[in-house]
Amino acid sequence: AQKVTQAQTEISVVEKEDVTLDCVYETRDTTYYLFWYKQPPSGELVFLIRRNSFDEQNEISGRYSWNFQKSTSSFNFTITASQVVDSAVYFCALSGLYSGGGADGLTFGKGTHLIIQP
Amino acid sequence: GAVVSQHPSWVICKSGTSVKIECRSLDFQATTMFWYRQFPKQSLMLMATSNEGSKATYEQGVEKDKFLINHASLTLSTLTVTSAHPEDSSFYICSAGGTNAPEAFFGQGTRLTVV
Repeated sequence: AQKVTQAQTEISVVEKEDVTLDCVYETRDTTYYLFWYKQPPSGELVFLIRRNSFDEQNEISGRYSWNFQKSTSSFNFTITASQVVDSAVYFCALSGLYSGGGADGLTFGKGTHLIIQP
Repeated sequence: GAVVSQHPSWVICKSGTSVKIECRSLDFQATTMFWYRQFPKQSLMLMATSNEGSKATYEQGVEKDKFLINHASLTLSTLTVTSAHPEDSSFYICSAGGTNAPEAFFGQGTRLTVV
């Protein structure tokens, strides 16, 4: 069975601070995908990143960066110089692969509500 | 990235009626589509996986006779909530998958309110 744990229910920081959202996962699959999504109040899920289990390189995209540590089964997400527009619920998710190579159904963490105060 | 369109974005229906939600992949062939449900302030839970041309696979605890899923083509899957009750009120969201869409792009979601 797969499991994703986002221990931080809510985080509140002041604008321009750096913030890290934690994600720990469990899976018996040797090959899997990890995802981060942003969900603003409107409800849609905004795709942020997908990482393959065999690719442990960290990734940076603008103010966003991700740290994938297979040894600790963690896939943490850092926002540097946070902005009010970053306020949202962030979900970490895990999926296996099906034979075609695409992602299987996702197992989501409970989400972290990030509040950026001006 | 790939575009997934979900319709309607919100719907209010009377208890006992049925509601159909459509999920379309606009620019790729989705061999598989996934349906999720999200109750207020909670996480998303996978309800079922539908493969084009075959029966959907439901997750444990999801009533297949209540949540009818049809995936008749590579670009369209529908979820019908039959005999809806207030406890079915939720946010339903689909994603389309396939060899060419490993990012699991999601539709905009449908907010269902049963009164």
